[in-house]
Amino acid sequence: DSGVTQTPKHLITATGQRVTLRCSPRSGDLSVYWYQQSLDQGLQFLIQYYNGEERAKGNILERFSAQQFPDLHSELNLSSLELGDSALYFCASSTPFGGRNTEAFFGQGTRLTVV
Amino acid sequence: AQTVTQSQPEMSVQEAETVTLSCTYDTSESDYYLFWYKQPPSRQMILVIRQEAYKQQNATENRFSVNFQKAAKSFSLKISDSQLGDAAMYFCAYRSLSGTASKLTFGTGTRLQVTL
Repeated sequence: DSGVTQTPKHLITATGQRVTLRCSPRSGDLSVYWYQQSLDQGLQFLIQYYNGEERAKGNILERFSAQQFPDLHSELNLSSLELGDSALYFCASSTPFGGRNTEAFFGQGTRLTVV
Repeated sequence: AQTVTQSQPEMSVQEAETVTLSCTYDTSESDYYLFWYKQPPSRQMILVIRQEAYKQQNATENRFSVNFQKAAKSFSLKISDSQLGDAAMYFCAYRSLSGTASKLTFGTGTRLQVTL
């Protein structure tokens, strides 16, 4: 168990809909990262938050948005969903307060299927 | 921007044998981390081993070891005494240590098959 919790584990929704993926980082970790992994693909970085602030942005579509709340949990919002958005979405956390950047710990992912 | 390249889409190894997975990266930074992650069929991302760039000694974790060549920007993973449970996708990843914007950049992965 990595200590990173993602909910829900599975999500099936229709095209055009909006969904919210939730991530609770490891206790004390300040950074949260979101990654997208399409079928048999590598992990594509979407966005990073550090202590509530956006720190880095990757190939994140305008239809997607994220935020990190004061309790450090994060949500990834996906709207106007298309079939191509079907993927495994990972959240990872790292950087404990006062600690040196080390490895990122991954949640089990949310498998999104758009039908 | 940093890039990570894994040139072997698939590899196969017999049980109990040794296999080496290749990874090269491109960066202008001098201080960074490198990682190998394993992704079994469950799709969970599992950290296998990490290497800090300022350390010359190659990291080892039980049957897993790396060959880190900083000048050549090469970071290969050696799996000794391969087991059926080692079958998975393996991803090489780079992480900058600059500031707090420090995402992991992944390679495209190598699928490892372990045969009897």
